[in-house]
Order: sequence, then C-alpha cells, then structure tokens
Amino acid sequence: DAKTTQPPSMDCAEGRAANLPCNHSTISGNEYVYWYRQIHSQGPQYIIHGLKNNETNEMASLIITEDRKSSTLILPHATLRDTAVYYCIVRLADDKIIFGKGTRLHILP
Amino acid sequence: NAGVTQTPKFQVLKTGQSMTLQCAQDMNHEYMSWYRQDPGMGLRLIHYSVGAGITDQGEVPNGYNVSRSTTEDFPLRLLSAAPSQTSVYFCASSYSRTEKLFFGSGTQLSVL
Repeated sequence: DAKTTQPPSMDCAEGRAANLPCNHSTISGNEYVYWYRQIHSQGPQYIIHGLKNNETNEMASLIITEDRKSSTLILPHATLRDTAVYYCIVRLADDKIIFGKGTRLHILP
Repeated sequence: NAGVTQTPKFQVLKTGQSMTLQCAQDMNHEYMSWYRQDPGMGLRLIHYSVGAGITDQGEVPNGYNVSRSTTEDFPLRLLSAAPSQTSVYFCASSYSRTEKLFFGSGTQLSVL
C-alpha cells in the first residue's frame, strides 16, 4: 500500500496558485518525499523532492511540515497545461517506489 | 541521450501467447523498475532492480518475469498472457535509490 494519502481531485482557477496536499504520517527520518505528475497517458514527470527543508525549483515549491508528516506542492501560477494527475510518493526503505492514485488537478479557465 | 526507451509502443496478443517488453536506458542508471497502469488507476509496481544481477518483486509480480543482465536493459516477460494483463506498461530508471525517476513513454498492451 502507498504510504501517502492525497485527495482524489481538486480544481484551481487559471492564474491562481494550486496547493496540493499530501499526508505521509508514517514517514521515516531518512525517507524523501517526491512529487511527479502525469499528463494524459504520458509517462510520469518528476517535479520536485525534499527531505526536511522547503524546496523550490522552476516548476514548483514543496512545503514540508516540521514534523514531516505532511507536505504541500505549490504551483504558483497554474495554467491549463498543469492539468494532470499529481503523485506524492515516499521511497520505502526496501527501495520499492509505490505510487498511489494521486490527485487529479483540473485547471479551470 | 535517448533517456528511457521502451519497445514496442503498441502490442496485441492472444491469450496464452508470450512476449517480452523491452526497456533500455543510456544514463548509466543503477535502479530500474516496471509499472502497469490500468484505466483510471495509478501506477502499480511489478518488479524492480537496484543493479545488474539483482531483481525483486513489487506489488503485482504474478505473471511477469524480469532479468537484469546488464545495467542498460531491463526486459519484462509475460510467460502466458491473460486478458487481465491488458494495461499500459511503464519502465522507469534512476541513478540511485534516492534520485528522481525517469520514465519511458509506455507500451500499450492488449490481450484478447
């Protein structure tokens, strides 16, 4: 079973910030949180990852709570091209990378 | 760099036939894995490998075999195809167990 919990779907208005939550309450101290997205039926695409500190790159920001039990992916100015399924995953200690069902993000014009 | 290359892109099989889905990467990645994705579902891990000569089972390994004789290649074998194996198959690789995954473009398999 996936070690993360995400809402099945979310809507966001075009141009606004999209905030996608993820719960990972059983995360261990050395496990990273990764975010990927899948557009249509393409292969998933890496977005960002983090361990403890907040991270930012050209695509998104990742906010991890101090207790590391949850995180939020932020797309600062959502566009229609950001419509996709977003997956939050935690790498397990035995190297299995388990994807859950993700969050289907709809960007509304 | 070609990245992660999967062949074929599409395949139709009859029940009971066998075939091999090919996956190759040219990034010298140690970690490789296979996922299947059914319509409207997330990805489910079939098998993975942390290096040449090492493979292990994922969430849904039954009906599939893998081998890792080289760092570059990680083929997935269906020994006797069943309609339940109709799915889109993705191969992925990463430099190490803590690095980001790169995915192939997928193989759409139909078993009649």
